[in-house]
Amino acid sequence: SQQGEEDPQALSIQEGENATMNCSYKTSINNLQWYRQNSGRGLVHLILIRSNEREKHSGRLRVTLDTSKKSSSLLITASRAADTASYFCATMAFGGFKTIFGAGTRLFVKA
Amino acid sequence: EAGVTQFPSHSVIEKGQTVTLRCDPISGHDNLYWYRRVMGKEIKFLLHFVKESKQDESGMPNNRFLAERTGGTYSTLKVQPAELEDSGVYFCASSHRTKSEKLFFGSGTQLSVL
Repeated sequence: SQQGEEDPQALSIQEGENATMNCSYKTSINNLQWYRQNSGRGLVHLILIRSNEREKHSGRLRVTLDTSKKSSSLLITASRAADTASYFCATMAFGGFKTIFGAGTRLFVKA
Repeated sequence: EAGVTQFPSHSVIEKGQTVTLRCDPISGHDNLYWYRRVMGKEIKFLLHFVKESKQDESGMPNNRFLAERTGGTYSTLKVQPAELEDSGVYFCASSHRTKSEKLFFGSGTQLSVL
């Protein structure tokens, strides 16, 4: 069974708007990561947040983590057409090397 | 620095045939992973190599799948004989031995079994 589950499955917004994607997971984690996949390409690592962190920023990305609710959110501010992609959350357990991915959120940013 | 490369990018085969996928990780990356994504579902873990050793193969679907990493460099994933449900995108990823959390992915192999 999958560990991470993203919500919504698909999101369509206008350029300049903010995009928020959510991820829920089931078991205790060491860290949670977000990856982006452009169509036909491999996944690209965006940001990592550790279990003892609550919020992290990287450029236009803001990630939050609530371990009590086993959930995370990814916010992309001032979206651009180039942000159109699928976004995946991924979790890694303590002492493990296996990263578990969800099914992703497809984001479409209209110019 | 070259990224993770996978070959072929696409493969179309008939049920019952054999297909071998290849992955060349980033040079010096001890960790190598295989994942599969089927029809827009989750990206499912298949197995993990540390150098040439299989660390975790809990995600391998059945004994029709065989992964190898001879010499701890490139890896192959063979499907023999292929079934219809094996269709999907097979991703390879690698990570550094000490900075192992961040995965670097290849572009994937789109496998279609007809």
